[in-house]
Amino acid sequence: NAGVMQNPRHLVRRRGQEARLRCSPMKGHSHVYWYRQLPEEGLKFMVYLQKENIIDESGMPKERFSAEFPKEGPSILRIQQVVRGDSAAYFCASSPGLGPYFGPGTRLLVL
Amino acid sequence: AQTVTQSQPEMSVQEAETVTLSCTYDTSESNYYLFWYKQPPSRQMILVIRQEAYKQQNATENRFSVNFQKAAKSFSLKISDSQLGDTAMYFCASLISNFGNEKLTFGTGTRLTIIP
Repeated sequence: NAGVMQNPRHLVRRRGQEARLRCSPMKGHSHVYWYRQLPEEGLKFMVYLQKENIIDESGMPKERFSAEFPKEGPSILRIQQVVRGDSAAYFCASSPGLGPYFGPGTRLLVL
Repeated sequence: AQTVTQSQPEMSVQEAETVTLSCTYDTSESNYYLFWYKQPPSRQMILVIRQEAYKQQNATENRFSVNFQKAAKSFSLKISDSQLGDTAMYFCASLISNFGNEKLTFGTGTRLTIIP
């Protein structure tokens, strides 16, 4: 049973480009969470999705960030027009499991 | 709103010794869960131990155990016989399972270094 998969593991973008981060939850898990970890900080909740539904997006920035979890395929976190402050590690977690199981993360670097 | 506080930014201990990491939390809920996650240099988030708030017995996992003081809202992690592989960031987290929403609130972490 594969764990939570994230790709790419590392992503480099120039300011103004778009970043797409993918997450495949553990087999049998229907809940996906995205967290952001800025350097030297803890993880901050961004969004919680179930298939085809955004359940809680209270941690998502109001602009440029969006997330989806389609009926088929991985969950996508999309960041439009990236800025240097978006450089961070983005973690996906899936549940149910009490607690959620994390993927290895995507390190986004904005030049 | 939930808050989780880790007041020790960094700690170090000699190999084979015992170390305790502190964590306090605040919640108005009666049913919640508490976790310790380990983040080694690989940056992977690894679940170390979990405690259900309704259980009085402290959770243990091999060399890892917690001291859960519900009235004081304290949840410390004890690592016995520390090993070099325990060197990592340790994050305390709380969870209120609200209609299946397992959203975690994390503390700022404690960087633990095990000295050979």
